[in-house]
Parts: sequence; structure tokens; C-alpha cells
Amino acid sequence: ETGVTQTPRHLVMGMTNKKSLKCEQHLGHNAMYWYKQSAKKPLELMFVYSLEERVENNSVPSRFSPECPNSSHLFLHLHTLQPEDSALYLCASSLEQGNTEAFFGQGTRLTVV
Amino acid sequence: AQSVTQLGSHVSVSEGALVLLRCNYSSSVPPYLFWYVQYPNQGLQLLLKYTTGATLVKGINGFEAEFKKSETSFHLTKPSAHMSDAAEYFCAVQGAQKLVFGQGTRLTINP
Repeated sequence: ETGVTQTPRHLVMGMTNKKSLKCEQHLGHNAMYWYKQSAKKPLELMFVYSLEERVENNSVPSRFSPECPNSSHLFLHLHTLQPEDSALYLCASSLEQGNTEAFFGQGTRLTVV
Repeated sequence: AQSVTQLGSHVSVSEGALVLLRCNYSSSVPPYLFWYVQYPNQGLQLLLKYTTGATLVKGINGFEAEFKKSETSFHLTKPSAHMSDAAEYFCAVQGAQKLVFGQGTRLTINP
């Protein structure tokens, strides 16, 4: 248990569906991150939030829409996804952006059919 | 810019044998270096980290890593492999306000 909780753990969605991934941390951290982990590819940093402001968006398609309503919660809203978006989506947090240690959630395994 | 190269996408060792997972980094500033482990269908868990000070860093589960500036390396070792060590291991370097990960090394333990 790292203190970062992701729900759901598994999600199957059609290409026309809209769904959201949720991440929650009560570690008192100010920075939160979304990563995408695909088979045979390095971890891809998608979004970075610091003090609820988005500070980095790594050329992620607009079908992925992050939301950070407060420092404890981070969402990833999904719509009109493609099969190649199937992956493990990992949320992480750290005390401050760029802080030395990131704590990861267990991930959401997303399958787009 | 910082980068990490993990040598070998798959490593297989026998139970009880030495584990050596290789990581080389590139950094324009003194690096902060990390090893994370990922078990199947799980997130990443920090094994150990090097920031400053002693270059031999001890982590959880009997793992350790040595920072060698002259070789720009941060290899992960464990003297005696256990079946429970089977997982994917990621080396990372602290970049400009974010972690930069290597591609990962999958460790298999043979009985």
C-alpha cells in the first residue's frame, strides 16, 4: 500500500464510451502525475499537476482530459478512445513537483474494444 | 536533458544466484537515481534511491545499487535471487522536474 489509490483497477470500454479514471492520495503531496504504460514501451509521462495546476502536457491527444479538483484527487476523463490506447494507466504523487520520490498507485488496466 | 539506458530487456537467473541489472544514465547535473520494481498487475514500488552521500545504497528486499560517476552507472544487485524477485525493474533519473525512466528489465528466476 503506497498511499495512492486508483479506481477502477480494470476497465473495458467501447470506442464511443466516456469513462473516467480516478486517483486519490492522502499523503499531503502537492504534485500528481498520469503515466501510460504500454507493452514493450517505456513509461510515458502524460500529465503533471502541481498545486492543482497543470504544468506539463506531453503532446497527449485531446481524447484524454485530466482534471485535478484538489491536491488529493486526480482524474483522467476518456472519450472516443482507440484500441491502441489500451494500456496500464498509472497515477503517482510526490511531495513537490520534481521531488525525489514518487509514489505510484496500482494502476488501471484499460482495454478499448 | 537526462536519460536512462537499461542494458538487457530480459534477465534470467537461477534461484540463489547473483542478480545484476544494469543501468547507465546521462545527466548534465549531479543526478538523483532510483530503482523501482513492478510486480504483475501492480504499480511501481520504490526499491532504493541515490541522492547524495554514500555511493552504495541499500534498499528493500536485499537489493543494493552503487552509484559510479566515472562510469555513469547505477547497477542494481542482489547476492542471492529468490523466486519472489521475479518482476520488472525500472531505473530512473530525476530530470527537469520529473522522473525519466528506462525501458525496464524483466527479471525471471529459474528454480
